[in-house]
Amino acid sequence: DADVTQTPRNRITKTGKRIMLECSQTKGHDRMYWYRQDPGLGLRLIYYSFDVKDINKGEISDGYSVSRQAQAKFSLSLESAIPNQTALYFCATSDTSGSSDTQYFGPGTRLTVL
Amino acid sequence: GNSVTQMEGPVTLSEEAFLTINCTYTATGYPSLFWYVQYPGEGLQLLLKATKADDKGSNKGFEATYRKETTSFHLEKGSVQVSDSAVYFCALRGGAQKLVFGQGTRLTINP
Repeated sequence: DADVTQTPRNRITKTGKRIMLECSQTKGHDRMYWYRQDPGLGLRLIYYSFDVKDINKGEISDGYSVSRQAQAKFSLSLESAIPNQTALYFCATSDTSGSSDTQYFGPGTRLTVL
Repeated sequence: GNSVTQMEGPVTLSEEAFLTINCTYTATGYPSLFWYVQYPGEGLQLLLKATKADDKGSNKGFEATYRKETTSFHLEKGSVQVSDSAVYFCALRGGAQKLVFGQGTRLTINP
């Protein structure tokens, strides 16, 4: 079974709709991240969380919100989706032990906003 | 601020060719450097990393050396295979374990 899972894998929605993307992990990591991937732009950080009580904005947080419901779950919401939020969204995790600085990525959610 | 610049793709090579994908960075201090690979339909996975100057990261025949003097971390492989076809991302770790990614380079290997 995958260590980092994302649901749904694909979603098509309309402008103005509220959308939630979910991420779960079984790696026991404290830190979780949400990125979006656009062609030619690489991945950009939306939000990150170092534990359940810690939420931080990334470089492109406008139009998004997050919820860290438990150590293993980190959800990304689009309160009112717009077409330029069409992208591939990735969740990632990392831990704080020792010198580890590797991030582990989920398979991604492809979101299309019409 | 921190930034990463990769050579633009797409890159198309024949099997057994030599591969170089250039990556340069701008950062304060001495960041850790990474190459991640994204196979079709999958998330990113770590390919290799280097944490200090002159370190060489290696994995699956790929290598990259952390060059502080040229602020570079170029990815190389001596003989590519069709299975190496993927998108490759160079990244640096800035403060608070935040990764900054390059734009990605799509690599296609033809048999």
